[in-house]
Amino acid sequence: QVQLVQSGAEVKKPGASVMVSCKAFGYTFTSYYMHWVRQAPGQGLEWMGVINPSGATTYYAQEFQGRVTMTRDTSTSTVYMDLSSLRSEDTALYYCAREIQPHAFDFWGQGTMVAVSS
Amino acid sequence: QSALTQPPSASGSPGQSVTISCTGTSSDIGGYDYVSWYQQYPGKAPKFLIYEVNKRPSGVPDRFSGSKSGNTASLTVSGLQAEDEADYYCSSYAGNDNVIFGGGTKLTVL
Repeated sequence: QVQLVQSGAEVKKPGASVMVSCKAFGYTFTSYYMHWVRQAPGQGLEWMGVINPSGATTYYAQEFQGRVTMTRDTSTSTVYMDLSSLRSEDTALYYCAREIQPHAFDFWGQGTMVAVSS
Repeated sequence: QSALTQPPSASGSPGQSVTISCTGTSSDIGGYDYVSWYQQYPGKAPKFLIYEVNKRPSGVPDRFSGSKSGNTASLTVSGLQAEDEADYYCSSYAGNDNVIFGGGTKLTVL
């Protein structure tokens, strides 16, 4: 069955970078776009961007352009999200989510908590 | 881009119907039929409920339905059950490969 398994929680200092991974199981990895969505504590969902695992094309939300990089490794069916120049406002739960229909997400990872604190 | 506007809370008694609105602009909801809805329980990842305004993925009860009029989309939960108590989020395509979410609505079953 389809599963997205993310890497574990991270604690980072302001100004540092973090890389979160999302390994896909149970489907053809290159056939579905993968998105990243974050959720600050007690807050709503915020779309960060998308990667096409087939051609590695990426599109990022304007808010994150210049700070986020999404990559993939087709040999391990894994996508990565790298966020740099971290600040306290980046403290959030980061989710990967598979796009099943245009701009709709059917399977989500379990979430990775990233805490930014000095 | 600002988030889509949802009421912070909604409520209803078991068996009743509740409608949650999601208001955007002509650049997102009004411009495309790519509105989705998600249900999220505390501490859990969102669950896929509705796509393309009013389509239900397999396994989602037909008590959940979606609609759209102009720049506002709506999710209606009919025959409310205790298990429907959760947060609900709308999302929409916003052009240029962007997706935008609503701020979320906490549904309470009285």
